[in-house]
Parts: sequence; structure tokens; C-alpha cells
Amino acid sequence: QMQLQESGSGLVKPSQTLSLICTVSDGSISNGAYSWSWIRQPPGKGLEWIGYIAHNGHIQSNPSLMTRVTLSVDRSEGQLSLKMTSVTAADTAVYYCARGDYFDLWVLGTLVTVSS
Amino acid sequence: DIQMTQSPSTLSASIGDRVTITCRASQSISSWLAWYQQKPGKAPNLVIYEASTLESGVPSTFSGSGSGTEFSLTISRMQPEDFATYYCQQYSEHPLTFGGGTKVEI
Repeated sequence: QMQLQESGSGLVKPSQTLSLICTVSDGSISNGAYSWSWIRQPPGKGLEWIGYIAHNGHIQSNPSLMTRVTLSVDRSEGQLSLKMTSVTAADTAVYYCARGDYFDLWVLGTLVTVSS
Repeated sequence: DIQMTQSPSTLSASIGDRVTITCRASQSISSWLAWYQQKPGKAPNLVIYEASTLESGVPSTFSGSGSGTEFSLTISRMQPEDFATYYCQQYSEHPLTFGGGTKVEI
């Protein structure tokens, strides 16, 4: 049975660090057969790719966010992790993790609000 | 970065209409293009990949075409459940990029 979930703080203060974990229990993170991306969507706006962890463990972030973003994977737990430092109100968004190069599986997103 | 430009940004349609959305890439992406449908409060749902391959479970009223820099998504007969926002996405190179979206409203 597949469990898809994100966890992390829904409210983050400006200048602090946003932390999210994406857990997928069907084995598609654990087996290393797929790449997994983080994607975000500000309220009422479009989609922005944050970065990905390739099936071979290679990690790449969007150059627009690269200096603030750290991605990691714990294959034994089937979890992806996103950390974003020095957040501002512009980082308020629904954050998703999604499977593949084109995204055939999306984890229900978490709304993260940046506000004091 | 590859820029993806969708048109129109909003489209009004009626049940039974044929609807076409276009997506243009700023450079050639071969056929490395996907289309998604998104409804309010939900994650996007894959509709088409590799420009013209229908994702499993998606109705055959959806079709995709194009290659290089010009692509289109067509819904041959609009159904009530098809009213949503549609996004294109290129996966030819990183950073992966999305179009700005097309809202199809009744």
C-alpha cells in the first residue's frame, strides 16, 4: 500500500529555514529506479521546478534557488528532504514532490506560508 | 533556461467544444514535452508525455502533437470534468520549466 505524504512546518518566519520531508512507501524512492523532483506553486500562480535527485543520486537545483536549497534522500526510509534557507514572503507556496522527468506521480502538496 | 510560452492564458468553452492550447519552447526540445491538468486545490495530473503519448487512464478525447518548438494539446469534445488549468512542461534539459498555464473555463 502506497503512502504519500509531506511533512514539515506550514508556517515559517522570514529569514528562517523551510524544511519539508516527502515520504513515499511504494518503494519508488527506496529502489532508486526513479528521479524525484521538488516543485512549488505560489497561491494563484504557476509551477516552478526547485530541483531533483536523479535515480543515480545526482542532485541538481534550479540555478535561481541553488544558493538557498539543499536536497537530500534517505532511501532506507523512502524519504526526500528539502531545506530552503533565508526564506521571504516570495517563498510562500504549495510545495510538491513528484516522480520522474515528466511527473507521473505527485505527492499532495504542503502549503508553506512565510510570515512573521 | 528554456522558456515555455502557453497561449491563450484563458479560454472560454462550452460542453462539446473542441479546444486547442498551444505551447512554444524558446529552443528545440525535440518531443520532450508533457501536459498536465490541474483542478483547484489539487496536484497537477499528467495527461500527455513525449508530446503525444496519452497517459494511462486519460480519456482519448485528449491528444497532443508537435515537436521541436511548437506543441499543442487538443480536447476533442469538452466534458464538464475537463474545465481546469493546463500546463506544459519541457524535460529536454535542466532546469525543467513549465508554461504559465491555460485556464479553460466554462
